[in-house]
Amino acid sequence: GAVVSQHPSRVICKSGTSVKIECRSLDFQATTMFWYRQFPKQSLMLMATSNEGSKATYEQGVEKDKFLINHASLTLSTLTVTSAHPEDSSFYICSATQGGVSYGYTFGSGTRLTVV
Amino acid sequence: AQKITQTQPGMFVQEKEAVTLDCTYDTSDPSYGLFWYKQPSSGEMIFLIYQGSYDQQNATEGRYSLNFQKARKSANLVISASQLGDSAMYFCAMSLIQGAQKLVFGQGTRLTINP
Repeated sequence: GAVVSQHPSRVICKSGTSVKIECRSLDFQATTMFWYRQFPKQSLMLMATSNEGSKATYEQGVEKDKFLINHASLTLSTLTVTSAHPEDSSFYICSATQGGVSYGYTFGSGTRLTVV
Repeated sequence: AQKITQTQPGMFVQEKEAVTLDCTYDTSDPSYGLFWYKQPSSGEMIFLIYQGSYDQQNATEGRYSLNFQKARKSANLVISASQLGDSAMYFCAMSLIQGAQKLVFGQGTRLTINP
């Protein structure tokens, strides 16, 4: 089956530094990747949609300059949290699809970010 | 645009009983897909079942079945013969077939199976 690898699984960083999270589709070409944020005991909130080779589309209220998304190839998307602050601490999870609804969506295992 | 609503924050069920998790959705688009995912405490998202808006039959996958009532815009998940390992968060999600095809989630239901 389709597999998505997400790294790192956990990261602790100091306030003011940047953190990069990688999302790789291992056995399929992901035309579209999605990034979600999840606070404790809450649902997944879609942050942005990225298509290979084009700029990401951010959801309303998501800071583009804070959360940089790059989808350089059909198998790799990265989320960089820039100048991280404690309020950016959260669970971030990516999802990838070969072609949307008909192919389904495969999720990475998530990254727990803690900013101290 | 699409919206998903799950009105049960928590459900408690005895082991071996069946349980129904509610999900309603709202969209004016006729072409869409409905999904259910399970999220254990580890955080991973486990795909359970899918229902397309044009599917005539209700979807089934082992102990999971989806009670799809299109006119009422509901897509309830039924888990038969619940097991202790079913304890987790359950999310209903929806994607439109046209456009960006982004997957939007409901608020989730925390299911606890009691021995």
